Amino acid sequence: EAGVTQFPSHSVIEKGQTVTLRCDPISGHDNLYWYRRVMGKEIKFLLHFVKESKQDESGMPNNRFLAERTGGTYSTLKVQPAELEDSGVYFCASSDTQGGVGVNTEAFFGQGTRLTVV
Amino acid sequence: LAKTTQPISMDSYEGQEVNITCSHNNIATNDYITWYQQFPSQGPRFIIQGYKTKVTNEVASLFIPADRKSSTLSLPRVSLSDTAVYYCLVDAPRGGFQKLVFGTGTRLLVSP
Repeated sequence: EAGVTQFPSHSVIEKGQTVTLRCDPISGHDNLYWYRRVMGKEIKFLLHFVKESKQDESGMPNNRFLAERTGGTYSTLKVQPAELEDSGVYFCASSDTQGGVGVNTEAFFGQGTRLTVV
Repeated sequence: LAKTTQPISMDSYEGQEVNITCSHNNIATNDYITWYQQFPSQGPRFIIQGYKTKVTNEVASLFIPADRKSSTLSLPRVSLSDTAVYYCLVDAPRGGFQKLVFGTGTRLLVSP
């Protein structure tokens, strides 16, 4: 079974340009997350989808970032326009949905997309 | 979310047992303790998860004392391929939702 896949693996763009990152979660996983690590910092949560709905986007840094998950399958994260401080590694993760308190669920991460804004 | 504290780095030799301790003094009743491993240029990978006492799987063991204010990840007989960053996370499950809060992690270096 394929894991979480992200595309591209690396993107280099100029400041002001637009970049779209794609994440394909594990088939059947309703939960999809975006995280990122900017240089020298910790991995930070960006947002969470349950199917096609955004459940929590409290980690999105500003309105230059737009995440979508049409049809509840793959997701895209668009940065427009990109700034230098957006450089970092963007991780996508997915998990299955299990109900109830006391039931935890492993999150499966992709290999990440390294974004370099110059 | 409970804050976690763990060593910044650890060194070990092949074949040794490595124990990484994580402090989480403010852990809540519903919180679980989860450890992730991350290799360079890869995303974090789930290792083990527990609530109390001891949990063991094919990769590691997790020891959690009765007060749950700390936990210890134990890697038996490490190899060079265990060189990675290990993250301790504490969070309460909510229907499968995982808003994982990663700290700085512990960088483990295994030498020959």
